[in-house]
Amino acid sequence: GQQVMQIPQYQHVQEGEDFTTYCNSSTTLSNIQWYKQRPGGHPVFLIQLVKSGEVKKQKRLTFQFGEAKKNSSLHITATQTTDVGTYFCAGPNAGNMLTFGGGTRLMVKP
Amino acid sequence: NAGVTQTPKFQVLKTGQSMTLQCAQDMNHNSMYWYRQDPGMGLRLIYYSASEGTTDKGEVPNGYNVSRLNKREFSLRLESAAPSQTSVYFCASRGGYTGVQRAFFGQGTRLTVV
Repeated sequence: GQQVMQIPQYQHVQEGEDFTTYCNSSTTLSNIQWYKQRPGGHPVFLIQLVKSGEVKKQKRLTFQFGEAKKNSSLHITATQTTDVGTYFCAGPNAGNMLTFGGGTRLMVKP
Repeated sequence: NAGVTQTPKFQVLKTGQSMTLQCAQDMNHNSMYWYRQDPGMGLRLIYYSASEGTTDKGEVPNGYNVSRLNKREFSLRLESAAPSQTSVYFCASRGGYTGVQRAFFGQGTRLTVV
């Protein structure tokens, strides 16, 4: 079945440094979604990418969808303590079931 | 709108006890999901319901049963709880406007089996 992998699993950064998490799917995706889970909270939808090569920005967050629609990345510029949390990518499989990656836990040192 | 409501928020069970986790959504979504999240881990799909009256097994269905009672409600039952089922359980529903079928999560149920 479809597998969605994320790297790294954990990332410690100093406040102000940049951060990137990568997502790879074993199958081509019709779209990819990104979610953020704050510590002790539940995942919250951030964005969806649909087109090959698509790039979208939300303030300091930049999301990319690969040309082959099998990989994606989330880049945060100049991290802040409010960015702390776990970032998940997710894609629908052939049955439209949403499959989540393992997540990347971001920790920011003030 | 309340979104997705899960009950209870916390629960402690003894090994062998049974319980049902309740989930309801008020967004008229067809798809509903149950995930479990172990400490420091990702979300693993337990069961999925594409629509009222249908359910499918996910990645880790053993030890669980589900019921899609109606379009709003999707419950998860542990028949005989085991310590390995200690986890945080999230219910989610999925839907939205055409082209963006986002998942909405409940607040989670923190379950400890002793």
